[in-house]
Amino acid sequence: NAGVTQTPKFQVLKTGQSMTLQCAQDMNHEYMSWYRQDPGMGLRLIHYSVGAGITDQGEVPNGYNVSRSTTEDFPLRLLSAAPSQTSVYFCASRGGNYGYTFGSGTRLTVV
Amino acid sequence: KNEVEQSPQNLTAQEGEFITINCSYSVGISALHWLQQHPGGGIVSLFMLSSGKKKHGRLIATINIQEKHSSLHITASHPRDSAVYICAPHTGNQFYFGTGTSLTVIP
Repeated sequence: NAGVTQTPKFQVLKTGQSMTLQCAQDMNHEYMSWYRQDPGMGLRLIHYSVGAGITDQGEVPNGYNVSRSTTEDFPLRLLSAAPSQTSVYFCASRGGNYGYTFGSGTRLTVV
Repeated sequence: KNEVEQSPQNLTAQEGEFITINCSYSVGISALHWLQQHPGGGIVSLFMLSSGKKKHGRLIATINIQEKHSSLHITASHPRDSAVYICAPHTGNQFYFGTGTSLTVIP
């Protein structure tokens, strides 16, 4: 099935732990991005990529790293989790005339 | 800073009503997206438009680039339209998001 696959769906971390959120798309989209969504706030861009080997920071990049070694994959790494990173995370790709395709989201809790 | 303002923030309608959600933005853009987020959390792209009007089923989206304004209309609303609708204008790789309009359609 074409689309964006995002894993895991839920995750609980302890403060200071690191983890990687996975994102993969099979639509050959060049543009991929990561967002966080917090209550009462709109989606906020963390990092984005316009193609393999190219990444750039968004609005709220601190505490997160990304890499884009292939067109298909765009993982998001939390280096040292903090309670302020408790949020719902969405990966999305963009291409053609169809606008965004979003992953199903990851609900992350940092305790 | 609020580059994107949506109104209303919350909307309750009776089934069958015509619904309008408005989006005003302050930045120059190349295109604007309307997104739908269901209570389960999934986000779906409804429209991407850079001028004029697009229609998909009971949904109609319009944009006026000069006035920096877009509207999303739902005709003959149905309870399954209950969701949060998000306006997302962008220019190049810079995206902006409204905080969304929460729509509840009552049978």
